[in-house]
Amino acid sequence: EAQVTQNPRYLITVTGKKLTVTCSQNMNHEYMSWYRQDPGLGLRQIYYSMNVEVTDKGDVPEGYKVSRKEKRNFPLILESPSPNQTSLYFCASSLSPVDLGPQYFGPGTRLLVL
Amino acid sequence: AQSVAQPEDQVNVAEGNPLTVKCTYSVSGNPYLFWYVQYPNRGLQFLLKYITGDNLVKGSYGFEAEFNKSQTSFHLKKPSALVSDSALYFCAVRDGGSWGKLQFGAGTQVVVTP
Repeated sequence: EAQVTQNPRYLITVTGKKLTVTCSQNMNHEYMSWYRQDPGLGLRQIYYSMNVEVTDKGDVPEGYKVSRKEKRNFPLILESPSPNQTSLYFCASSLSPVDLGPQYFGPGTRLLVL
Repeated sequence: AQSVAQPEDQVNVAEGNPLTVKCTYSVSGNPYLFWYVQYPNRGLQFLLKYITGDNLVKGSYGFEAEFNKSQTSFHLKKPSALVSDSALYFCAVRDGGSWGKLQFGAGTQVVVTP
């Protein structure tokens, strides 16, 4: 089944404890992206990747890191999480890095930083 | 810089009536426009996109959207709403000159009553 998977789905952590949210797609897509969803703010793009080894900042990259060493994986790293990073996170992928559509979204990761 | 606005936080409509969800955008180049839907406790799903061509775009689940360049709008429409259309709808825009960056609106909650 074609899909985007994220792990973990739920995570409670404490301020400053490094964490990684994994994202993997099995559709051989070129483009991948991370978003956070907060009430009233919609989805905001954190980072995106046009292809392997090519990543760039979205609108809210502060406090996050990403890497794209393989085409299928695009992990999101929070080196020192803070409470304002409590959010619902979505990974997405798209076949084309040109028109960006359609994007296929993962099921989401709900993060609580205490 | 690109931006997108969804002026209504919530739209209420009776089942069987037409449904319209509004979206306006601002880009510096030619826009790439998208609609996504988020059903309760489910991930985001692609509905439709406009890149170029016919101003009326047809998408999934009976939805369509009308691109209006002069009004910089991309409103989502459905001729006859169903209770199952109750969900959170997001408009998104990619600036034609800014590959990879995608900006979402804050979302519009659609409530369809029987």
